[in-house]
Amino acid sequence: KAGVTQTPRYLIKTRGQQVTLSCSPISGHRSVSWYQQTPGQGLQFLFEYFSETQRNKGNFPGRFSGRQFSNSRSEMNVSTLELGDSALYLCASSLGSGQETQYFGPGTRLLVL
Amino acid sequence: AQSVTQLGSHVSVSEGALVLLRCNYSSSVPPYLFWYVQYPNQGLQLLLKYTTGATLVKGINGFEAEFKKSETSFHLTKPSAHMSDAAEYFCAVSRIGGSQGNLIFGKGTKLSVKP
Repeated sequence: KAGVTQTPRYLIKTRGQQVTLSCSPISGHRSVSWYQQTPGQGLQFLFEYFSETQRNKGNFPGRFSGRQFSNSRSEMNVSTLELGDSALYLCASSLGSGQETQYFGPGTRLLVL
Repeated sequence: AQSVTQLGSHVSVSEGALVLLRCNYSSSVPPYLFWYVQYPNQGLQLLLKYTTGATLVKGINGFEAEFKKSETSFHLTKPSAHMSDAAEYFCAVSRIGGSQGNLIFGKGTKLSVKP
């Protein structure tokens, strides 16, 4: 099976812009979670989607949003970008029915100038 | 609330030496515990996980971890380090009965392996 894919892999934006990141889960996986990784804060949970519904949400401002499509692909959007949003954004997928393994994608590295 | 503390942001060992990466957790309910590894410019790969049952968990690449409830610890070990083990390691916890989607991670430990 193909692994979790994330596009784009690298992105440069300027403050105030918005950005959309995409995640394609492993075939058959219905849960997609998003994490932000920064040197200062480490890995922080953003949100989880399961069957097109947000199931869990981390402690991030409303500028961070996401959605999931019927084919389980997910997107996350960050509006009004700030310098502090520069980070590696990781997506992970799992079957979603219990405590099964989460599989991570390679991430999208976002740089905000 | 759950939290994870990884002792030592950097650990350096010689090739062939024992690897010991420390992880302590805080959880008011029985936890599920995980160790992930991250190589440069890559995502996270699961090394091993503890859910229920046997407290000594064996993972990939020769790693293992022991869940010690009394010490609230889940330390990662490998008897003999290899150069390819150089990476960053993350301990994580999730809540039993909760979705694994909201893993809580420690700050990570960078492992260096000297020849």
